Amino acid sequence: GQQVMQIPQYQHVQEGEDFTTYCNSSTTLSNIQWYKQRPGGHPVFLIQLVKSGEVKKQKRLTFQFGEAKKNSSLHITATQTTDVGTYFCAGRPGGTSYGKLTFGQGTILTVHP
Amino acid sequence: GAVVSQHPSWVICKSGTSVKIECRSLDFQATTMFWYRQFPKQSLMLMATSNEGSKATYEQGVEKDKFLINHASLTLSTLTVTSAHPEDSSFYICSAHTPGDTQYFGPGTRLTVL
Repeated sequence: GQQVMQIPQYQHVQEGEDFTTYCNSSTTLSNIQWYKQRPGGHPVFLIQLVKSGEVKKQKRLTFQFGEAKKNSSLHITATQTTDVGTYFCAGRPGGTSYGKLTFGQGTILTVHP
Repeated sequence: GAVVSQHPSWVICKSGTSVKIECRSLDFQATTMFWYRQFPKQSLMLMATSNEGSKATYEQGVEKDKFLINHASLTLSTLTVTSAHPEDSSFYICSAHTPGDTQYFGPGTRLTVL
């Protein structure tokens, strides 16, 4: 079946350093979404990418969707302690029912002050 | 963004009992809701898709007789874990699907079965 792989599983950074997490799908995606889950919390929607090669920014966060619509990345510039949490990508394979997402394994980000 | 509530936020029950978890979309109507299960430090595993007015669609390997889903209205879906056992202990999260093809998650329910 369709798989969404996410790396790295863990990332420890010093505050101020950059952070990137990568997401790869075994099949072409209709769209890809990114979520953040704080420790003890629930996933919170960050952004959705739909177009091939799309790049979106939210303050220090930059999201990219690959040209083939099979991979994506999230880059955080100058991390802060408030960035701590698990970042999940979630994709909807082309042809699957509307709304059904496959989640990556997540990247747990730790930021040391 | 859209608000989804979930009740209870945590529950402890004895083995063999049944537990009902409610998921409500507070400020929008959701024809489709999803139920996920999440183990510590792991990803979300989709259990089933809950469709208003029709039967839920279960993912492979999820026992439909054990995890009963009812989506009686456009704002409420319930998940009942029947005859719960310790291995059913987990974090159960619902999400409601919006027309923009995004999902808004409830705060989750932590189930502990003794």
